[in-house]
Amino acid sequence: DIQMTQSPSSLSASVGDRVTITCRASQSINTFLNWYQQKPGKAPKLLMYAASRLQSGVPSRFSGSGSGTEFTLTITSLQPDDCATYYCQQSYSSPYSFGRGTKLDLK
Amino acid sequence: QVQLQESGPRLVKPSQTLSLTCNVAGGSISSGAYYWSWVRQSAGTGLEWIGRINNRGETSYNPSLKGRVAISADTAQNQFSLKLTSVTAADTAVYFCARALGPSPFDFWGQGTLVTVSS
Repeated sequence: DIQMTQSPSSLSASVGDRVTITCRASQSINTFLNWYQQKPGKAPKLLMYAASRLQSGVPSRFSGSGSGTEFTLTITSLQPDDCATYYCQQSYSSPYSFGRGTKLDLK
Repeated sequence: QVQLQESGPRLVKPSQTLSLTCNVAGGSISSGAYYWSWVRQSAGTGLEWIGRINNRGETSYNPSLKGRVAISADTAQNQFSLKLTSVTAADTAVYFCARALGPSPFDFWGQGTLVTVSS
């Protein structure tokens, strides 16, 4: 099975900050890497897919990069609405695994 | 716009079977190359993919559930279901149903339902 490791597990930042979250896969997953945002009591919401493709309707301040085993999600100018937990997920092979999440809040 | 909604008992006794149904609106589960999945979330294990079914009725499951899981579809009712047998407290979680297109990500999710395993 492919293990997904996210860092950091939590992060505090200020409005307007640039924020970067890292996700590492235990083996190469090409670009089959997706990012989700989850707020309390809600289902995860797809932000990015195929490592760098922005899901329709997601603000352009979100971007993703990487391939193989190392990936990043970047928020270029943090907004209050971005406070949430972010998860990476690999869709390369079954079982489709998730990272343990990065909780982002405002400083 | 596809909408998914989970339903089923919120409380299940240990050793019994957890049964949930996901009703799909705004799209047919029997058309296209979509996969219909169950995902659960608990504080202990985080987000865990349980398994999926496609429009041909082909299923795939997470080996971590050790043969306790079965997913089926009812195309007439446009819904798919999850059965998890021999449950323990470790199966207490929020259960989500979700849609994916082939190897693509989960683009539509249900709101989730908390199932508690307790006597």
